[in-house]
This record gives sequence, C-alpha cells and structure tokens, in this order.
Amino acid sequence: DAKTTQPPSMDCAEGRAANLPCNHSTISGNEYVYWYRQIHSQGPQYIIHGLKNNETNEMASLIITEDRKSSTLILPHATLRDTAVYYCIVREQYNFNKFYFGSGTKLNVKP
Amino acid sequence: DAGITQSPRHKVTETGTPVTLRCHQTENHRYMYWYRQDPGHGLRLIHYSYGVKDTDKGEVSDGYSVSRSKTEDFLLTLESATSSQTSVYFCAISEGTAVNYGYTFGSGTRLTVV
Repeated sequence: DAKTTQPPSMDCAEGRAANLPCNHSTISGNEYVYWYRQIHSQGPQYIIHGLKNNETNEMASLIITEDRKSSTLILPHATLRDTAVYYCIVREQYNFNKFYFGSGTKLNVKP
Repeated sequence: DAGITQSPRHKVTETGTPVTLRCHQTENHRYMYWYRQDPGHGLRLIHYSYGVKDTDKGEVSDGYSVSRSKTEDFLLTLESATSSQTSVYFCAISEGTAVNYGYTFGSGTRLTVV
C-alpha cells in the first residue's frame, strides 16, 4: 500500500517555482523517498530520490524535513511541459517489490 | 523509452479470450515488472521477475500469469480476459534492487476487453 499522502492537484504559473508536498509520516529509517512523474499517458519518468539529505539534479530539488515525515519536490522554473501527475513514493531499501505508487498530484502549469 | 518497448500498444479483445502482452528490453537488466494503471488506483504491481525463469506475484496478480524465458523478454498473459482487466499496462525494468536503481518504464499497452 502507498505510504504517502499528496494533494490531488496543484496549479503553478509558468516560470515560477512549483513546490509539491508529500507526507510520509510512517516512513522508517531504511526507506527512501522517490519522485516520479507521468506526462499524459506516457510511462512514469524518474525525477529524483533521497534518504535524509536534500538532493538536487538537473530536473528538480528534493527537500526532506529533519524528522523525515514529509518532503517537497521543487521544480525551480516550471514550464508548460512540466504539466503531469507527480508521484511521491516511499521505497524500502533492497526490497524491490515494495515500490508502490499512490494517486499522485496533478500539477497544472498555466501560462 | 529507449531500451524498453511494449507490444502491442493498443489491443481490443473479447471477454474469455487469452491475451499476451510483451515487454522487450535491450538494457540487459535483471529485474522486470508489470504494472496496471486504472483511474483512482495509480499504478499497481501485477508480477515481477528477478531473473530468467524467476518470477513472483505483486499485489494484483489474480487472473494474470507471466513468463520470462530470456533476459530481454517478459510476457504477461491474461488466460481468459475479463472486462475488469481493461486497463493500461506498463512494463518497467531495473538494473538492480539497491536504492540507487530506479525504474525505467515502457510507453504502455492500452487493453480493452469487450
């Protein structure tokens, strides 16, 4: 079962930062936070993952609270092509069959 | 996505008929997965494979079987299709199970059972 809670939808203006929250209050010490997104009907696309430190790559930044009970995915300059469903996933380390997708957040980037 | 292809992309079939979906990868990854996606349910794991001839059930495996006779191919079979199996099916591959290995997904197969 998905162990995360996300808002069903969010709006963001083009060019502004999109901040997508995720609650994972039952996360345990060996579980990582992954983010994927799904554009229209395509297959999900990997964005970023982390354990407890903040992470940044060419697509996004991931901010994890100190107690690890929540995190925020930041798209620094959202474009119309970032309109998608964003999934926050808690994954148990080394247990590959525990990769559960919830319902995600539909991000609408508007001109 | 590069390195993973699903076939067919679309299929309409009748209730009670057998259906096989194919996932083919060129990445030589050991792990392969089948998911289905339905409105309101996100993606749900059907079956997965951790090597040739090594498979196991996911959370929604009833009515489905899989086979993996070669590293590059993972087949999903609906023995007798039902309308409840109308869905979009995604295949995914992974190089390993450690946390650094994410999943790469295929483009999906849209199956309609009438």
